[in-house]
Amino acid sequence: GAVVSQHPSWVICKSGTSVKIECRSLDFQATTMFWYRQFPKQSLMLMATSNEGSKATYEQGVEKDKFLINHASLTLSTLTVTSAHPEDSSFYICSATPTVPSEKLFFGSGTQLSVL
Amino acid sequence: QQQVKQSPQSLIVQKGGISIINCAYENTAFDYFPWYQQFPGKGPALLIAIRPDVSEKKEGRFTISFNKSAKQFSLHIMDSQPGDSATYFCAASSGSRLTFGEGTQLTVNP
Repeated sequence: GAVVSQHPSWVICKSGTSVKIECRSLDFQATTMFWYRQFPKQSLMLMATSNEGSKATYEQGVEKDKFLINHASLTLSTLTVTSAHPEDSSFYICSATPTVPSEKLFFGSGTQLSVL
Repeated sequence: QQQVKQSPQSLIVQKGGISIINCAYENTAFDYFPWYQQFPGKGPALLIAIRPDVSEKKEGRFTISFNKSAKQFSLHIMDSQPGDSATYFCAASSGSRLTFGEGTQLTVNP
């Protein structure tokens, strides 16, 4: 099956610093990527939809200036958590769908962010 | 987001038993209903999916039953194994945008 690589798998940072998470589709081109956030024992909550070459669409309640998303190529999207605080600690997951119209989503392995 | 309600929240099954997880949705525009399996610290992995023009789909030990009129669908895991212990999420979509259920923590005892 298609592979989506997410890096890093875990990161610890100090409060006030910024953290960048990368999501790459390794064997297909993805016009659309999605970023989710998951708290322990909870479901995945969609944060934003990222389209290659255009601005991301954020879900209601998600701060655009705090969670910066860049989708500069068909195989790479990045999520930057700016001025991170302890409440931003969470499991962040990306997913991607191929350019050929498909209902299938392929998920990355997730990034555990811990803000001290 | 349109809701997808999932139950039970947790489920304990003996090895060899049948695990059943249920979901209900509201939005009749949903046209794709996947189930995902997630292990701790990992992203979700697609298990099986169904479209509303089919009432049942079976892949190995996993079966989806779909009731369009009731707007409900369920996952059945036959001959459950300890390796099936994970969190299961139902989801629904119209296009690529998924709405997830709350998740079910399945534990299969040896």
